[in-house]
Amino acid sequence: GAGVSQSPRYKVAKRGQDVALRCDPISGHVSLFWYQQALGQGPEFLTYFQNEAQLDKSGLPSDRFFAERPEGSVSTLKIQRTQQEDSAVYLCASSLSPSPGDTEAFFGQGTRLTVV
Amino acid sequence: DAKTTQPTSMDCAEGRAANLPCNHSTISGNEYVYWYRQIHSQGPQYIIHGLKNNETNEMASLIITEDRKSSTLILPHATLRDTAVYYCIVRAEYGNKLVFGAGTILRVKS
Repeated sequence: GAGVSQSPRYKVAKRGQDVALRCDPISGHVSLFWYQQALGQGPEFLTYFQNEAQLDKSGLPSDRFFAERPEGSVSTLKIQRTQQEDSAVYLCASSLSPSPGDTEAFFGQGTRLTVV
Repeated sequence: DAKTTQPTSMDCAEGRAANLPCNHSTISGNEYVYWYRQIHSQGPQYIIHGLKNNETNEMASLIITEDRKSSTLILPHATLRDTAVYYCIVRAEYGNKLVFGAGTILRVKS
């Protein structure tokens, strides 16, 4: 497809369960971002990759959150021992280059995670 | 990144121009102004960005004041499908993240 693809679109997890969320960025895009969006709020930055290198993980809320992009394309956000406060929409975005003035970031539709 | 201030919500009549203001008084010289919007249940969508000069594309126009401390996004002929949350973002360093605020809820009414 032409856009950023995220899967699954919806995920219900029992508290304490581990989950893995997948992001397929646009082919050739160097930069990849993960965001968390709680209901009624703007997206909050989690982490940033430039190719396979994770250059910024300052937004990850705890050590239960882990992201990887081993071959510089597909990325996975893993949440261990999920808690109710992890319930949110997780958004992935990619952009062609890291330069802020050159290019826009394209967002996927997100994965809605509900922890019960 | 410089912080931005936007009104919480605005209404606009269908077919009229929607003018969405944004204050970014602490913006520095190398920071760009970006606008994104988010329609319900979708990911944010890029609209436009600029550094100093006014910009126009097929979706909107961006007017940046000369001192760069504020900007206005203009949707020239708003339609019902333009109802969304509009985010004004100041983006700093090379490769840096977009920092979203609360945005402006724009309601276009028939």
